[in-house]
Amino acid sequence: QKEVEQNSGPLSVPEGAIASLNCTYSDRGSQSFFWYRQYSGKSPELIMSIYSNGDKEDGRFTAQLNKASQYVSLLIRDSQPSDSATYLCAESFGNEKLTFGTGTRLTIIP
Amino acid sequence: SQTIHQWPATLVQPVGSPLSLECTVEGTSNPNLYWYRQAAGRGLQLLFYSVGIGQISSEVPQNLSASRPQDRQFILSSKKLLLSDSGFYLCAWRAGSNGQPQHFGDGTRLSIL
Repeated sequence: QKEVEQNSGPLSVPEGAIASLNCTYSDRGSQSFFWYRQYSGKSPELIMSIYSNGDKEDGRFTAQLNKASQYVSLLIRDSQPSDSATYLCAESFGNEKLTFGTGTRLTIIP
Repeated sequence: SQTIHQWPATLVQPVGSPLSLECTVEGTSNPNLYWYRQAAGRGLQLLFYSVGIGQISSEVPQNLSASRPQDRQFILSSKKLLLSDSGFYLCAWRAGSNGQPQHFGDGTRLSIL
């Protein structure tokens, strides 16, 4: 049974600081990794995809992947109140399905 | 660009009544399609997925069923709703090639009375 583990939080970060979200996964064969943001009462929205070891940057977001240690992280720089949401980590082995973590609730404190 | 439509946005149904939720995708062909349920404050539970017309894989045994009558149409149904069927139902699509992310519709919030 594949598993994706996330700290459920809540994680509180002051406005303007760096928020760091972490995720570990159990399947060494996992190839694709995704971060979704879900605002309360809304559907998940894809914010980052990462496939190779290392860092991938997109604006204020940086995804980091370490396949040897089986973890993937998301850094949010210059955190804004609008970043307050639940962040879902997901992985895929290349088949039809994604395995999702249960999410980390992030609160940015003004 | 691709878009996914899901309706209705909210639904209140009595116990024992039938259910039909519809999802359609535009701007792509032969997508993989998915139905998830999310209970309040919980993670995503995959209910069904489909890789083609008429092909349905069920992940959780329950009183729900799914059908894919057309390439870009995915329907979630029930003959008799239970109280435990309440939740946030999400449809998602994914391009057929490996390694692609899923993209979600706006969801249907279903309350059973």
